[in-house]
Amino acid sequence: DIQMTQSPSSLSASLGDTVTFTCRASQGITDYLAWYQQKPGKLPKLLIYAASTLQSGVPSRFSGSGSGTEFTLTISSLQPEDVATYYCQKYDGAPFTFGPGTKVDIK
Amino acid sequence: QVQLVQSGAEVKKPGASVKVSCKASGYTFNDHYIYWVRQAPGQGLEWMGVINPSGVTTIYAQGFQGRVTMTRDTSTTTVYMELTSLRSEDTAVYYCTRGLNRNNWYTATDFWGQGTLVTVSS
Repeated sequence: DIQMTQSPSSLSASLGDTVTFTCRASQGITDYLAWYQQKPGKLPKLLIYAASTLQSGVPSRFSGSGSGTEFTLTISSLQPEDVATYYCQKYDGAPFTFGPGTKVDIK
Repeated sequence: QVQLVQSGAEVKKPGASVKVSCKASGYTFNDHYIYWVRQAPGQGLEWMGVINPSGVTTIYAQGFQGRVTMTRDTSTTTVYMELTSLRSEDTAVYYCTRGLNRNNWYTATDFWGQGTLVTVSS
């Protein structure tokens, strides 16, 4: 099975900062990659699919890039409501493995 | 509006089985695959499997093979996930979630059920 890793496991940044974190697949998955945001005690929310397509209703400060084995999620101008754990997920074939997550909080 | 409404919390003893339901509404039931994901307390998301609501296609994660069964009832637009031989490590919130793209299981998921807490304890 393809393994998904994320780095860093956590980060702390200031309001207004641009933050970027990475998701890596152990084998190429073309662009079959999604990003989800999960706020504490809440449901996961789809942010990005097909590596770089913004889901409807998601603020434009979120963006995704990458293909193959390395992907990034960028939050430009970090807001208080962005405090959450961010998971990547591959969906090129079963199993649709999630990464372990990156926890983002405000410095 | 699209809704996935799951059944309530369960407490089970080790070795027992649990069946969680997920009632879909607000869209054409047969057009979207339903996936199951679980989250143990304080842990990340774990993909369990997928079912095609319009047919009998199911795919399960290898770690659940032989213990999980996903079924659907098109007359009530409800999907079910049954997990058998429960152990303490199965204590988690179980989510159903809908495939974003119609008639395609290679897809991210957009709408999520509210989650069902299953506690396995003697």
